[in-house]
Amino acid sequence: DTEVTQTPKHLVMGMTNKKSLKCEQHMGHRAMYWYKQKAKKPPELMFVYSYEKLSINESVPSRFSPECPNSSLLNLHLHALQPEDSALYLCASSQEYEQFFGPGTRLTVL
Amino acid sequence: GQSLEQPSEVTAVEGAIVQINCTYQTSGFYGLSWYQQHDGGAPTFLSYNALDGLEETGRFSSFLSRSDSYGYLLLQELQMKDSASYFCAVGSTDSWGKLQFGAGTQVVVTP
Repeated sequence: DTEVTQTPKHLVMGMTNKKSLKCEQHMGHRAMYWYKQKAKKPPELMFVYSYEKLSINESVPSRFSPECPNSSLLNLHLHALQPEDSALYLCASSQEYEQFFGPGTRLTVL
Repeated sequence: GQSLEQPSEVTAVEGAIVQINCTYQTSGFYGLSWYQQHDGGAPTFLSYNALDGLEETGRFSSFLSRSDSYGYLLLQELQMKDSASYFCAVGSTDSWGKLQFGAGTQVVVTP
């Protein structure tokens, strides 16, 4: 199994909702990542987990809360988001230099 | 700090060769990667250079010159399916695990 899976594929939420994005990989990779990507822009790193511990937080607002329940799973909890948070949210994993990206969750905040 | 520069767009015809340059200013540089992303899709890894020289993978090759802080991705025998965005990305020992992506180069392949 050489893929990263993400659910849901699409999500529409209001500014008062709470939702979660899920990511899973079964490649035994030690590092997992959350990225945010706006149209026509590069992926923008949000969080890095290494060996299930948060190692990088790129000064992301607290309305985004990551969680790594185990070495295969990564969640991103969303609460009180703003319309400008609408974007493609990508999960990735890596063992060394190559990052494997999931298909992403396209999030729309109304 | 870190900065990367790559052209915003390149247009070429099928069968042609395209070179996408990437210059970087990165403290603690340890490697240059290239990713391809089709519209609506996820980035996919193409190549990685940690040492000077050319790496070849099928129709795609990547080059790195550490002394010049410069690299390129060479796309040969262009096909319509190569129309996509291409990102260079650097890794730095200043922040292990973090990739800094360039702004991306949109490659448009015409018949």
